[in-house]
Amino acid sequence: RKEVEQDPGPFNVPEGATVAFNCTYSNSASQSFFWYRQDCRKEPKLLMSVYSSGNEDGRFTAQLNRASQYISLLIRDSKLSDSATYLCVVRGGSQGNLIFGKGTKLSVKP
Amino acid sequence: NAGVTQTPKFRILKIGQSMTLQCTQDMNHNYMYWYRQDPGMGLKLIYYSVGAGITDKGEVPNGYNVSRSTTEDFPLRLELAAPSQTSVYFCASSLDTTGGYTFGSGTRLTVV
Repeated sequence: RKEVEQDPGPFNVPEGATVAFNCTYSNSASQSFFWYRQDCRKEPKLLMSVYSSGNEDGRFTAQLNRASQYISLLIRDSKLSDSATYLCVVRGGSQGNLIFGKGTKLSVKP
Repeated sequence: NAGVTQTPKFRILKIGQSMTLQCTQDMNHNYMYWYRQDPGMGLKLIYYSVGAGITDKGEVPNGYNVSRSTTEDFPLRLELAAPSQTSVYFCASSLDTTGGYTFGSGTRLTVV
């Protein structure tokens, strides 16, 4: 099992749609979880941290299920500007560094 | 506040040449990292540093070397460039081991 797995997509959705991304991780001892956003040919940027109780930031909601080792990101009322690749990131591994999933590509169409 | 600055942004190398990718951060972060990202792949950790004078190997260190003589700078050295090192290289830093990383804008390297 890969350390962090994501559906690569692409997810093609119309403006205003709600879209959900899922991610699983293999290390049950992982302590920190994040979603990053990466625009084409740009660096990854932190979108939000993911907390055990779930957390929301505007149109974005992140959930963590430690028992299932599962992380999700929900985007409501999608905007054209949400088009990007979303990276699921887990702090783990033997050195406690961040481990990145391959990303899920989202394309929001007019 | 510049954050993490990487130079150069683009570079073409011939097989066997060497070069240094520069990375500087002005946030007084202790931790610094080098990742490479190949098309359609996730970021792979090359080397990291927990402070000046301390470096350690990541997942894919072969063919690379690093040094950390100051808190601010973390250069990545390619000694004998190979086509397999064609990639986008990202430098990142973090204050501690609990939060996320701040990335530089990347260096696109092509080895021909």
